[in-house]
Amino acid sequence: GENVEQHPSTLSVQEGDSAVIKCTYSDSASNYFPWYKQELGKGPQLIIDIRSNVGEKKDQRIAVTLNKTAKHFSLHITETQPEDSAVYFCAASTGAGGTSYGKLTFGQGTILTVHP
Amino acid sequence: DTAVSQTPKYLVTQMGNDKSIKCEQNLGHDTMYWYKQDSKKFLKIMFSYNNKELIINETVPNRFSPKSPDKAHLNLHINSLELGDSAVYFCASSHTNYGELFFGEGSRLTVL
Repeated sequence: GENVEQHPSTLSVQEGDSAVIKCTYSDSASNYFPWYKQELGKGPQLIIDIRSNVGEKKDQRIAVTLNKTAKHFSLHITETQPEDSAVYFCAASTGAGGTSYGKLTFGQGTILTVHP
Repeated sequence: DTAVSQTPKYLVTQMGNDKSIKCEQNLGHDTMYWYKQDSKKFLKIMFSYNNKELIINETVPNRFSPKSPDKAHLNLHINSLELGDSAVYFCASSHTNYGELFFGEGSRLTVL
């Protein structure tokens, strides 16, 4: 089955700095890579996702890059703000339409702390 | 209006008891899930239902039994609770052909 490794487990940055979280996956058939943000006491919420036919995707301060050959993908947050502090999860699945989307294999999570 | 709602939010019970967690979504999605988050924050899928049919059943003890009375509801019943069942259980839903999962706020189960 799929295995997703996520690093670092904790990340502490100053407000305004950039933050980068990296993930690797094992199953070359995986083609859908979402990132979720989980705030304290809440459920995870999708912040950005990327499919394997795209190498990079950007949404305001958040970007994700995907290297299919190396089987790794990364989340980049620029100009971090204290409200970015949360646990971030990467995930992978072989969903390409159909019901496989939701069978996500999650990484271990990264606790991001942004200091004012 | 809450999109995916779970009840109860907190559940404290003794070993050996049976308990249920209920989930409802008002998003019109046709696929629902149960995920388990352990004390180290690790998230793992347990079950998935599509249009009331079980489509994903990971290696979960058969003490756990999901039930989907209709597309909008997916309940989780746990028999003979064990200490290791203590975790936060998240319900989620999605449209079948789109990736985004919408999670509930979680149900924290503590088994004493």
